[in-house]
Amino acid sequence: TQLLEQSPQFLSIQEGENLTVYCNSSSVFSSLQWYRQEPGEGPVLLVTVVTGGEVKKLKRLTFQFGDARKDSSLHITAAQPGDTGLYLCAGPMGGYQKVTFGTGTKLQVIP
Amino acid sequence: DTGVSQDPRHKITKRGQNVTFRCDPISEHNRLYWYRQTLGQGPEFLTYFQNEAQLEKSRLLSDRFSAERPKGSFSTLEIQRTEQGDSAMYLCASSLAAGSGANVLTFGAGSRLTVL
Repeated sequence: TQLLEQSPQFLSIQEGENLTVYCNSSSVFSSLQWYRQEPGEGPVLLVTVVTGGEVKKLKRLTFQFGDARKDSSLHITAAQPGDTGLYLCAGPMGGYQKVTFGTGTKLQVIP
Repeated sequence: DTGVSQDPRHKITKRGQNVTFRCDPISEHNRLYWYRQTLGQGPEFLTYFQNEAQLEKSRLLSDRFSAERPKGSFSTLEIQRTEQGDSAMYLCASSLAAGSGANVLTFGAGSRLTVL
């Protein structure tokens, strides 16, 4: 059972379009993180959201943490080819706060 | 600090052979994670350490997999009697266990394993 489900699994869009990626769970998280991974490299942290309802912006990327802290979304405005990559949500779980990753969303932005 | 280092970056082996991967974390980080990742999927948790103590090992992991962090610094992941299904990217990450940077992972570039 995957604790963090992401949708969509794949997304191919034209440069300039907007998109939203979702991360959902039935569990409550103390925080959620978003990472981006490029081929042949490890994931790199984009942002951490901590407070229910929190919205964080990183240039053209907007991250939101659900009020109940069970879900999060990533919205990209005017996507560019450099946004291409695998987007991953992750959160700490369990007594030792083990970091668990979502299923991933592979984004391709076509010039 | 040069970040998290993994070695080797690529390993090709024949089925049945043993392989070992090494990870050198960020020196101030007391937590070290191992994940396995197949193409286009999210990293799958394998095991993690706090200092030299192994906190948890995935129940999906067979007894052929073992990891150590003997002095609380570098870690090794060994796979015995490799199978073709073990082919994947093996990722190492480190983090602090407490404070403002707690659970924020810094990853290495990974070790890609191909089992023929």
